[in-house]
Amino acid sequence: DADVTQTPRNRITKTGKRIMLECSQTKGHDRMYWYRQDPGLGLRLIYYSFDVKDINKGEISDGYSVSRQAQAKFSLSLESAIPNQTALYFCATSDNTAQGRETQYFGPGTRLLVL
Amino acid sequence: QQQVKQSPQSLIVQKGGISIINCAYENTAFDYFPWYQQFPGKGPALLIAIRPDVSEKKEGRFTISFNKSAKQFSLHIMDSQPGDSATYFCAASISPGYALNFGKGTSLLVT
Repeated sequence: DADVTQTPRNRITKTGKRIMLECSQTKGHDRMYWYRQDPGLGLRLIYYSFDVKDINKGEISDGYSVSRQAQAKFSLSLESAIPNQTALYFCATSDNTAQGRETQYFGPGTRLLVL
Repeated sequence: QQQVKQSPQSLIVQKGGISIINCAYENTAFDYFPWYQQFPGKGPALLIAIRPDVSEKKEGRFTISFNKSAKQFSLHIMDSQPGDSATYFCAASISPGYALNFGKGTSLLVT
């Protein structure tokens, strides 16, 4: 969905490096999420944020941190990358209204390779 | 541990046939059950969703069947088409908009 953009789309880094994945949205949604997708494991939640002042850990937050710089921006950081963090990372957003909550809109993903 | 179990992992269906993907869950607090469709190189997109107060929901060729007592739900794709070839994920959450718990996905190929 073009309304949710992720940068970079592909990234190769080395073990121990700090990297940041960025997500921006123009949907005006309050809720934002970071998921990780691994082959055969589906998508797993890393962190989520229901507004700028609200950050929550997901299922697999160890080794990751996030920053909600504004309503439209939600960044994911790997403080010291390790090879098992090689994966496809997705950002998603959803509205906070009763009707809008039903759909999470996903970005195109960032493919990360940690050597 | 996976809170939503999905099967099969992969599925090959002939054009015009019915594709069936099954999911099961344990957490009775789950109140919202969406299915997402993902094409290669794209993010998942909502396909159809159901709340537990109904046993079936149909949108075009796509139908969700929900069995609350068995804690199972399934996606049926009628008259499957090659354009339906994608990965399908079931998911569950305690409420729409809350964090989704995804199944591992089913890779569907329609030949």
